[in-house]
Amino acid sequence: QLQLQESGPGLVKPSETPSLTCSVSGGSISSRSYYWGWIRQAPGKGLEWIGSIYYSGSTYYNPSLKSRVTISVDTSKNQFSLKLSSVTAADTAVYYCARHAPDSAEYFQHWGQGTLVTVSS
Amino acid sequence: EIVMTQSPATLSVSPGERATLSCRASQSVSSNLAWYQQKPGQAPRLLIYGASTRATGIPARFSGSGSGTEFTLTISSLQSEDFAIYYCQQYNNWPRTFGQGTKVEIK
Repeated sequence: QLQLQESGPGLVKPSETPSLTCSVSGGSISSRSYYWGWIRQAPGKGLEWIGSIYYSGSTYYNPSLKSRVTISVDTSKNQFSLKLSSVTAADTAVYYCARHAPDSAEYFQHWGQGTLVTVSS
Repeated sequence: EIVMTQSPATLSVSPGERATLSCRASQSVSSNLAWYQQKPGQAPRLLIYGASTRATGIPARFSGSGSGTEFTLTISSLQSEDFAIYYCQQYNNWPRTFGQGTKVEIK
């Protein structure tokens, strides 16, 4: 059974560059069938797609965040990661990792439980 | 980017009643639309993809319809576990975008 588990710093200061990791179990991140993505949700708000990556490293980013986002994959650890630079209070959110539907970067079929990142001095 | 607009923001429904949620796209997304359910403190769960195909394990009381710019999620007879927030998401264009959500609450 596929499971995704996010991990992150919890509390970060403005202007820092936090890194979040999604650990995948019950399936291989190297599967040629899947894209993997990050989505965030500010407190009390809706969902915002951040970006997605294929096991080969091919990426898609939301233009609204593209200048600050880097998504990478580590197939040896069966993980993928998100780095978000120059954070502000507006980046405070629950960050979810997810697996897209097979053979596409379309809808999100499986989700992690999310990790809260709070930006505060 | 394609803007997804959901209505109403909040829907008050009694258990056993029918709920109809709407999602409108700012331009055509064909049938490339998904619906998710989110309960407090939980991750979203995929309900519907391809505008009308139920995901694995989703009860038949959930149905989706529409194409182009107008979509509907119908819950035929609300159960207690269905009170939640529902989001639509288009995947016809980049960036992938979500609606702002409809909260289904107990009347």
